[in-house]
Amino acid sequence: EPEVTQTPSHQVTQMGQEVILRCVPISNHLYFYWYRQILGQKVEFLVSFYNNEISEKSEIFDDQFSVERPDGSNFTLKIRSTKLEDSAMYFCASSTGPRNTIYFGEGSWLTVV
Amino acid sequence: TQLLEQSPQFLSIQEGENLTVYCNSSSVFSSLQWYRQEPGEGPVLLVTVVTGGEVKKLKRLTFQFGDARKDSSLHITAAQPGDTGLYLCAGSGGSNYKLTFGKGTLLTVNP
Repeated sequence: EPEVTQTPSHQVTQMGQEVILRCVPISNHLYFYWYRQILGQKVEFLVSFYNNEISEKSEIFDDQFSVERPDGSNFTLKIRSTKLEDSAMYFCASSTGPRNTIYFGEGSWLTVV
Repeated sequence: TQLLEQSPQFLSIQEGENLTVYCNSSSVFSSLQWYRQEPGEGPVLLVTVVTGGEVKKLKRLTFQFGDARKDSSLHITAAQPGDTGLYLCAGSGGSNYKLTFGKGTLLTVNP
């Protein structure tokens, strides 16, 4: 069964460093998303992406965050200057349409120290 | 702001028992999805419901979407230890692309 894959599975970074989280969405999907889950809290929407541009973003997704689809398969989330409070599990997801079922990857666990 | 409230937050039962968990909102959702999440892993989709009053069955799991599309329930028959996990509901609505998640129900099924 096709799945969303994410790398790395776990990354530890120093505060202030840049981090890039990578995702390969399901191949025939057109809509891509990033969500995050801080330990013990609910899954929160960050951003949706379609046709090479951001469709919607939350208030969490401020100027230090950016997304990119650099080629036909990868979808990346960049955090420019990490803060302690960015420590969370980041989930990539994809869907065939804007209100169709969303499939999640296994997550990238980011620890900022 | 759309909010989803899940109850109970925690549920611990014995193998073989039946249970129901709830997902409620004051907002109307165009669709609602149920996921199961294991510690340290991503949410795994169980079912999507889109029509008010819809009932879907997945083996021992029965999902219902409320008539007004504001609430949903998940019923598990004869629970097994393998059913242990965090059950999340998530809804999408209006012109939003995003899913709004509940906090989840942490289910423990004891052998």
